[in-house]
Formats: sequence, C-alpha cells, structure tokens
Amino acid sequence: GAGVSQSPSNKVTEKGKDVELRCDPISGHTALYWYRQSLGQGLEFLIYFQGNSAPDKSGLPSDRFSAERTGGSVSTLTIQRTQQEDSAVYLCASSLVQGIGSPLHFGNGTRLTVT
Amino acid sequence: SQQGEEDPQALSIQEGENATMNCSYKTSINNLQWYRQNSGRGLVHLILIRSNEREKHSGRLRVTLDTSKKSSSLLITASRAADTASYFCATRPLGETSGSRLTFGEGTQLTVNP
Repeated sequence: GAGVSQSPSNKVTEKGKDVELRCDPISGHTALYWYRQSLGQGLEFLIYFQGNSAPDKSGLPSDRFSAERTGGSVSTLTIQRTQQEDSAVYLCASSLVQGIGSPLHFGNGTRLTVT
Repeated sequence: SQQGEEDPQALSIQEGENATMNCSYKTSINNLQWYRQNSGRGLVHLILIRSNEREKHSGRLRVTLDTSKKSSSLLITASRAADTASYFCATRPLGETSGSRLTFGEGTQLTVNP
C-alpha cells in the first residue's frame, strides 16, 4: 500500500520567502508528526497532531513556523520569512495509534535549502 | 538535550562481522524503538522493546534493554553491505500517551565494507 508521501522532495528558496511543505500520511493513521533533520544530525521534534488538533507544538523553533492538518489527513508545514538556518530535511511521519508501541512510518522528507 | 544518545557515532566493519550499537536515555520509558535510515530516505522502524522486556530478536537483529542502567543495545549479526545506514534509538517517556512525541537520538552511522 501507499506510504507517507511528502512534497516537494526538494525546495530551494531565497531568504525571506515563505515555503509550504506538504505531507500525505498513510490512510487511517490518526497521529502525524513533523521532525527536522540537519545534515548528519539526529531528528528534532517540531509538532505532533492527533486528528486535526496539535496537542504538542512545543518543538516549533519560532513563530515563523506553523502547521495545520485538515480532515484528519493532509498536513502542511509553513515557514514564513525563511532564514538560512532553516535549511534542513523536514520529515513527516504518521502512526496508527493503537497502544503504546505504535511505530512511526516516515516519508522520504523535503530537503529545504535557503539561499 | 536528546533523550537518547547513541554510541558510537560511527562504526565501520567488514561484511560478515557483527555490529553493536548502544543507546542511553535519561528518563523512565514505556518502550524503546530502533529505526534505520538509508542515505536520503526516511526512517524505517526495525524493532520495539517494552520496558518489561530484557531481550528481543528479529531475524539478524537482537536488542537488549537494561532499565536500571537506562541503556539499550542493537546487535546486527553477520552484517551485509546493505546494512550500511544510520541507526537511531527512540523513546517515549513513561506516562506519555501512545500518540505523543517520540524522541530520537543522534544516531550511529554504520558502514559495512564488502
């Protein structure tokens, strides 16, 4: 079946521009996560959705970052007035929330480069 | 700081050898998961071990968990060149709900030379 799909796969933007990153989770997965990964580093948690609500958005680095999820499915991560330090791979994951051990299923990420 | 920290940061071995990676964490946990990431791809779930388990096997993978030391190890036996990837441990603190954030370590970069 289809996995988690992210688009675009690559995005190059000029400093100061806004960008939107999209995530299509696996159908039926109620939990959706956004992480950021800088080159050669671990994953930095950004935000988590349960359905359409975001119980934990504590990882968003600044108010330039926002995310929404509609219809309990597609999610969009928006970065306003991009800065060079925003350059990273943005990973989306979803999980079927059934008990404590639900694994995360990741997309291949969007590589964002801010010039 | 990261909840999970992997050790070593990088490991290079020959095909056929075993690879051992370690993970330490700070708070009490419900479970610990290991993920693999091939270059340029997303992470793939490998195995989960619950806090009341001490050892778990899946194919060539063996995971141990020592909750008293807050540490886990991942052993890959008879490694293959295709095992070359980054390996991450991930934890969800005790008391968190099943859908809450999973905290990842910095990862171990494993290179298996043919």
